[in-house]
Order: sequence, then structure tokens, then C-alpha cells
Amino acid sequence: DAGVIQSPRHEVTEMGQEVTLRCKPISGHDYLFWYRQTMMRGLELLIYFNNNVPIDDSGMPEDRFSAKMPNASFSTLKIQPSEPRDSAVYFCASTDDRGRYNEQFFGPGTRLTVL
Amino acid sequence: AQKITQTQPGMFVQEKEAVTLDCTYDTSDPSYGLFWYKQPSSGEMIFLIYQGSYDQQNATEGRYSLNFQKARKSANLVISASQLGDSAMYFCAMIKAAGNKLTFGGGTRVLVKP
Repeated sequence: DAGVIQSPRHEVTEMGQEVTLRCKPISGHDYLFWYRQTMMRGLELLIYFNNNVPIDDSGMPEDRFSAKMPNASFSTLKIQPSEPRDSAVYFCASTDDRGRYNEQFFGPGTRLTVL
Repeated sequence: AQKITQTQPGMFVQEKEAVTLDCTYDTSDPSYGLFWYKQPSSGEMIFLIYQGSYDQQNATEGRYSLNFQKARKSANLVISASQLGDSAMYFCAMIKAAGNKLTFGGGTRVLVKP
């Protein structure tokens, strides 16, 4: 079974541009999470969905960030306009509540650089 | 609010020796779960081991074991017989049983020396 898929793997953009990160969770998983990893702040949750519905978006830094999950197999995280401080690795993870440990399975991440 | 503290930013360990990575947590919830993840230089996050707050025994998964001391709110990871491939960042994380939000510690970088 394929793991969590993220695209692109690397993104370099200029300040002010719109950036869209994409995620395909593991089939059958009904929870999807977006995390951001930076040297300064470590790993932090941005938002998570359950059955395509946003449950907790308290980690979304500001209105420039938005996330959607139009169906069970696809989610996007959009930054508009992007700023240099948004440079980070963005991880998508998925899980269900039927597993032995309910561990979250992480995608490979998208490394975003905003110039 | 939940908080995870990893006090060791980095450490060296000799190949084939055991290493203990410290993790303390703070929560007022009676039910919670504790995870350890490994992040090699390639960047992916790899699940290693899980401990539930009500589990009576310490968790073990192969060369990984978790020294769970509930009263002290600590969940240290022990890696036995270290291998060169164990060189990575290691993150301790906590989850509320009722929700699925992971709170991560700052991580510990381990370098295994041959």
C-alpha cells in the first residue's frame, strides 16, 4: 500500500507568490494533519481534518494560510501571499482510529523556500 | 496545555552500545499516548514505538524500548546495540486519547560512531 504522498517535494518561490502544497493520505485513513517543521519552532501542527472536516486550525499562523480537503483522498495547503518566514518543511500525515497504536504516518514532506 | 521536553539536543554513542534518550511531558489529562519518531537525514518521519498512559508494561519494539515512569512523567527511549543507521533526530511526542493532535518535543540528534 502506498504511503502518504506529497507534492511537490521541493518548492522555491519568490515572496508574494501563491504556493499550493498537496497531499494524498493513505487510503482508508480518516484523519489528515498538516505539520510545519522549522529550526526555530520545531514540529508544529497547523491544522487537522477528520472525515474531510477541519477540526482544529488553531495552529494556522495567519490568514495567509488556508487548507482544504475536498474529498477523502486529497488535501491542499495554500499560502497566499508567501513570505520568507514561511520557509520550512511541511509534512502531511494521516491515520485512523482503528489501528493498534493510532500512529500517524507521515509523508516525505515538502521543502518550501521563499526568497 | 500539553508540553514535551527533550533536554538533550545532541549526543554521541559508540556502535553496539545502548543509548537512552530523555523525554519528559506535562499534561493534566489522565489518558494520553506517547510516541517516539525517528527522522534520518533524508527527512522522513518514522514511527518507532508507542506507550499508552494506562499500559502496565513498558513498550518494546525490537531494539527499541520505552522506559515509562508515569509518576515522574517521563518516557525515555532506549536503543540497544546501536547501529550506524540509528544516526538521526529522534522526537518524543504526545497525543490526547480523545483527540489526535500530536505535540512534539524539540528532538535529540544522535550520532553513532563506528
